[in-house]
Amino acid sequence: GAVVSQHPSRVICKSGTSVKIECRSLDFQATTMFWYRQFPKKSLMLMATSNEGSKATYEQGVEKDKFLINHASLTLSTLTVTSAHPEDSSFYICSARRTATNEKLFFGSGTQLSVL
Amino acid sequence: AQSVAQPEDQVNVAEGNPLTVKCTYSVSGNPYLFWYVQYPNRGLQFLLKYITGDNLVKGSYGFEAEFNKSQTSFHLKKPSALVSDSALYFCAVRDAAAGNKLTFGGGTRVLVKP
Repeated sequence: GAVVSQHPSRVICKSGTSVKIECRSLDFQATTMFWYRQFPKKSLMLMATSNEGSKATYEQGVEKDKFLINHASLTLSTLTVTSAHPEDSSFYICSARRTATNEKLFFGSGTQLSVL
Repeated sequence: AQSVAQPEDQVNVAEGNPLTVKCTYSVSGNPYLFWYVQYPNRGLQFLLKYITGDNLVKGSYGFEAEFNKSQTSFHLKKPSALVSDSALYFCAVRDAAAGNKLTFGGGTRVLVKP
């Protein structure tokens, strides 16, 4: 089956620093990747839709200058949390859809970000 | 706008008993419906989906779900629950005509007791 690799799985950083999270589709091409944030009360929130070669589409209320998304290739999307603050601490999950029409999303294993 | 509701925060069931996790949805067009499971500190794993066709969809690990258009529901079921089924379950919907956005329900924690 298709595999999406997300790295790192866990990161602790100081307030004010930036953190980059990578999402790779290992055995398929993904023109579209999605970034979700999971809050402590468990609900998943779509942050942005990342399309290869173009700017990401951010959901309402998500700061695009704070959460930088780059989808430079068909197998890699990155989320950079800039100038992280403790309230950015959360579980971030990426997902990808195959290039060919396929309704199923494949999810990364998630990244637990803790900002001190 | 599309939305998903999972009315139960937690479902407790004894091992061997039937398990049902409820989900209702709202979309303006035809729905694509999904169930995902999340084990502790892990990403989401796909269980099953409904796109078109038979209303009863069979998925991974013995789970199934029934699409009910009149009740706008897509409840997840398993005839005999296992302790290893204890996890967080998410229902999701995508409006077939509304692009890529997948909207998740709030999740239901399932606890299967031995």
